Amino acid sequence: EPEVTQTPSHQVTQMGQEVILRCVPISNHLYFYWYRQILGQKVEFLVSFYNNEISEKSEIFDDQFSVERPDGSNFTLKIRSTKLEDSAMYFCASRGNGDTQYFGPGTRLTVL
Amino acid sequence: SQQGEEDPQALSIQEGENATMNCSYKTSINNLQWYRQNSGRGLVHLILIRSNEREKHSGRLRVTLDTSKKSSSLLITASRAADTASYFCATDMRDDKIIFGKGTRLHILP
Repeated sequence: EPEVTQTPSHQVTQMGQEVILRCVPISNHLYFYWYRQILGQKVEFLVSFYNNEISEKSEIFDDQFSVERPDGSNFTLKIRSTKLEDSAMYFCASRGNGDTQYFGPGTRLTVL
Repeated sequence: SQQGEEDPQALSIQEGENATMNCSYKTSINNLQWYRQNSGRGLVHLILIRSNEREKHSGRLRVTLDTSKKSSSLLITASRAADTASYFCATDMRDDKIIFGKGTRLHILP
């Protein structure tokens, strides 16, 4: 069964560094998402992406964040200058023509 | 309260018993989804129920939706140890994002 994959599973970085989190959505899906979950808290929406542009973003998704679909298979989330409070589990999700979003296993980001 | 709040926050039951988790929300929805998350792992989609549906089944799962009360319930029958996880309801309000609740931590006792 096709699934969303994410790399790396765990990323450790120093405060102020740039990180790129990678996702490979399900191959025939057209809608892509990033969510994050700070430890012990609820899953929060960050951004949705369709037709090579952002369709919606939350207030969390400020100028430090960007998303890109650099080729036909990858979907990336870049954080330009990481802060301590960016430490969280980041989930990528994708959706086809139906309503269900399928989530990847997540990347745990630790900012030191 | 926030959109999508589950109760109870935590639930411990004996293996073989049924587990019921509830979710309440505030605004109109397009659909409501339930996800499972094993500790520190990814989110697994369990079931989606549309706003015009009242009940849906999938294996040992039964989901109900009452749009007049803005609430949903997830019933897991004949629970197993492997059902130990956190369960989240997530509401879709037609704006292409889903809003998660804080979840119910379910612990199945042997």
